[in-house]
Amino acid sequence: EVELVQSEAEVKKPGESLKISCRASGYTFTNSWIGWVRQLPGEGLEWMGIIYPDDSDTKYSPSFQGQVTISSDKSISTTYLQWSGLRASDTAIYYCARPWTPSPWGRGTLVTVSS
Amino acid sequence: DIVMTQTPLSLSVTPGQPASISCKSTQSLLHSDGKTYLYWYLQKAGQSPQLLIYEVSNRFSGVPDRFSGSGSGTDFTLKISRVEAEDVGVYYCMQTIQFPGGFGQGTKLEIK
Repeated sequence: EVELVQSEAEVKKPGESLKISCRASGYTFTNSWIGWVRQLPGEGLEWMGIIYPDDSDTKYSPSFQGQVTISSDKSISTTYLQWSGLRASDTAIYYCARPWTPSPWGRGTLVTVSS
Repeated sequence: DIVMTQTPLSLSVTPGQPASISCKSTQSLLHSDGKTYLYWYLQKAGQSPQLLIYEVSNRFSGVPDRFSGSGSGTDFTLKISRVEAEDVGVYYCMQTIQFPGGFGQGTKLEIK
């Protein structure tokens, strides 16, 4: 059974860095694109970027290029979403998901950025 | 970029009655590999989106057969044959023929 297990909720201050994770199981991690979707409070869904873990090929949505970094660690079947300087506007729920393979999403990681 | 437009944006349905949601894309979602990359999700309150339908008309594992998807090219429809109380939430269509994939605005379904 495919499962994407995300890290727990985070509360951070503006300017702080953060790395959240998504651990995959139930399929061959290296052979499938996986990425991140943002949901702002009370809003819809947006793809941020995706990564192909086998060779770390990464694609970013233009809205998120340069704002976040997506990476993966094949040895532990985990993908990451990272910020180097959070803003209040990054407050959202972040989901990991596979864009081209029918699959459950992660449960989401709530990131709250507040001074 | 491909824009996904859902109608209606809200729906109030009596239990046992059917419901239908439309999703239109500004470009064809038929890929050269023969697949059409159109998905339907339901997001219940406080939960992550759950996959209902993939590639237009294929029900995902465990999805009740009262849910069905149809369409082609740029026009797609999700139908619920008999709405149940557990079907409340926001329904999204999603395309991934090109990256970044895009979502419809969402259709909120409530029970009368």
